[in-house]
Amino acid sequence: AQKVTQAQTEISVVEKEDVTLDCVYETRDTTYYLFWYKQPPSGELVFLIRRNSFDEQNEISGRYSWNFQKSTSSFNFTITASQVVDSAVYFCALRWGNNNDMRFGAGTRLTVKP
Amino acid sequence: GAGVSQSPRYKVAKRGQDVALRCDPISGHVSLFWYQQALGQGPEFLTYFQNEAQLDKSGLPSDRFFAERPEGSVSTLKIQRTQQEDSAVYLCASSFLQGNTEAFFGQGTRLTVV
Repeated sequence: AQKVTQAQTEISVVEKEDVTLDCVYETRDTTYYLFWYKQPPSGELVFLIRRNSFDEQNEISGRYSWNFQKSTSSFNFTITASQVVDSAVYFCALRWGNNNDMRFGAGTRLTVKP
Repeated sequence: GAGVSQSPRYKVAKRGQDVALRCDPISGHVSLFWYQQALGQGPEFLTYFQNEAQLDKSGLPSDRFFAERPEGSVSTLKIQRTQQEDSAVYLCASSFLQGNTEAFFGQGTRLTVV
């Protein structure tokens, strides 16, 4: 079965704190792709990153970093020195093989307080 | 256009009414996806187009849901005889290539069936 689990429903931090959003995935395919999207109150899903199953290299983009570990089937997302503008719902998603379906987790609502 | 555009942003329908939701993808994008997002949930796949061909409609919840993309650009999602459980945000996404490139989402249409 293809599945994405985001165990953290809501997280609240104070500005400048670091925060990690967890994502655990399940798939039997050896070729798959993992994504993170941000959904601000406006509703639009904003693409953040794509990782394929053959590339376990971690990535850093400004204050954002991603830790992909196939051994634990996890693709966690860390925001360093969080800001109020980071407040949103964050979704982790999985696409496998040549499948057109993108399976999303239930999302984690992040609130960053000033 | 600069991004994926959906209209209307909000739609209130009486139960039993037919509705049509429009999606203008990014110009030149081959792939187009429709998703349904219930309150507090992640988006769920409905259907996929490659140009004008509807290659995957496995996510459509019933035969009351119908989607088309006749000229390989604008797409319409139609829901016949709406029911209260159809209330959700309907998201459209497009991507340049088929399959596993990142998809860019519109702001969605919030459908409320009363």
